[in-house]
Amino acid sequence: QQQVKQSPQSLIVQKGGISIINCAYENTAFDYFPWYQQFPGKGPALLIAIRPDVSEKKEGRFTISFNKSAKQFSLHIMDSQPGDSATYFCAVQDTGGFKTIFGAGTRLFVKA
Amino acid sequence: DAGVIQSPRHEVTEMGQEVTLRCKPISGHDYLFWYRQTMMRGLELLIYFNNNVPIDDSGMPEDRFSAKMPNASFSTLKIQPSEPRDSAVYFCASVPQSGRWDTQYFGPGTRLTVL
Repeated sequence: QQQVKQSPQSLIVQKGGISIINCAYENTAFDYFPWYQQFPGKGPALLIAIRPDVSEKKEGRFTISFNKSAKQFSLHIMDSQPGDSATYFCAVQDTGGFKTIFGAGTRLFVKA
Repeated sequence: DAGVIQSPRHEVTEMGQEVTLRCKPISGHDYLFWYRQTMMRGLELLIYFNNNVPIDDSGMPEDRFSAKMPNASFSTLKIQPSEPRDSAVYFCASVPQSGRWDTQYFGPGTRLTVL
């Protein structure tokens, strides 16, 4: 079963614009919500993460918004740059341990 | 510091052959994960180890797949016999023991093509 639904599949944004990627999850036992960034030919790398006790976390141009009641969280990339062009994965981690479930990924292309 | 090391980076083999993928986690990390990435199924967790012991192998697709971690600095993922549908990028990731909230550090992956 699909426990994490990520949208959109792909996204094209103009340089300087805002990129928004959304994720929804089904299991309330998840309690850690990271976003990973993957460039072609590389492994995913942690970008930013949030715990459910806060509704927003910001690191530079990257912000996670978290809605616990709706079981949704999103990644906002402000002032998007061509170097941000990559695949972004949301993920959820359960309370039982380290098992992480990834979303299907969003391919972001930022046009110069 | 060296990150997670995987070898080979690319592997091309023929159906029916045995394939062994290798991973060296970051020194001091106690958890090791094997993932498979495909366009159709995304990033799937296959198995993970804690202190060299397999904890959850429910993601291993079938008996043709096996994984071992003989010591803290080495793990293998073996496919025998390999099939074309096994073609994917296989990632290894490690995590330190210090807390559940730590990031997973991924290796560069092994791109496997089974002809």
